Amino acid sequence: GQQLNQSPQSMFIQEGEDVSMNCTSSSIFNTWLWYKQDPGEGPVLLIALYKAGELTSNGRLTAQFGITRKDSFLNISASIPSDVGIYFCAGLVTSGTYKYIFGTGTRLKVLA
Amino acid sequence: EAQVTQNPRYLITVTGKKLTVTCSQNMNHEYMSWYRQDPGLGLRQIYYSMNVEVTDKGDVPEGYKVSRKEKRNFPLILESPSPNQTSLYFCASSFGAFGEQYFGPGTRLTVT
Repeated sequence: GQQLNQSPQSMFIQEGEDVSMNCTSSSIFNTWLWYKQDPGEGPVLLIALYKAGELTSNGRLTAQFGITRKDSFLNISASIPSDVGIYFCAGLVTSGTYKYIFGTGTRLKVLA
Repeated sequence: EAQVTQNPRYLITVTGKKLTVTCSQNMNHEYMSWYRQDPGLGLRQIYYSMNVEVTDKGDVPEGYKVSRKEKRNFPLILESPSPNQTSLYFCASSFGAFGEQYFGPGTRLTVT
């Protein structure tokens, strides 16, 4: 089936640093989403992207929908301890179906 | 309070004993999904439903059944559970496939 390759798998960063993670696919998606999952909870939507080339911000978060529609990245600026968690990208397949494909996640740990 | 509820939250069962995990949402959402989350594999969609009586396979439907007889409920049925179905399961709902998905708290299932 379709896969999303998400990198890095995990990262340790110092508080205040900027973070970047990305997601690539061999297939085209028409919608890209970024979620965050805190320990013991379900994922929560951070940013949704609906158009190739779109750049969207949500506070300290910025995400872009790649122009080829096969990739997306998420940046977090000035990280804080509560940014700790697992970040997932997800793509929505819309050709004859409406199913979601999730990346394998980026585990972020912030050192105070 | 707008929410997605799942029951049970934890379940230990034996191979072959049929079980149902319930999911209910109070937001009048059309789109509902089931996911399983396994270490290193991220979230994988099992089944989704666009509306009442409309269900379709996600990426990993084998060994699972669903039904959507009412808009608010989307139960996940394992007719003959096997150990490889030991996982953390999430239900999610949204206004349409493109909408923000709200996730339930998760059900941790262990099949021995």
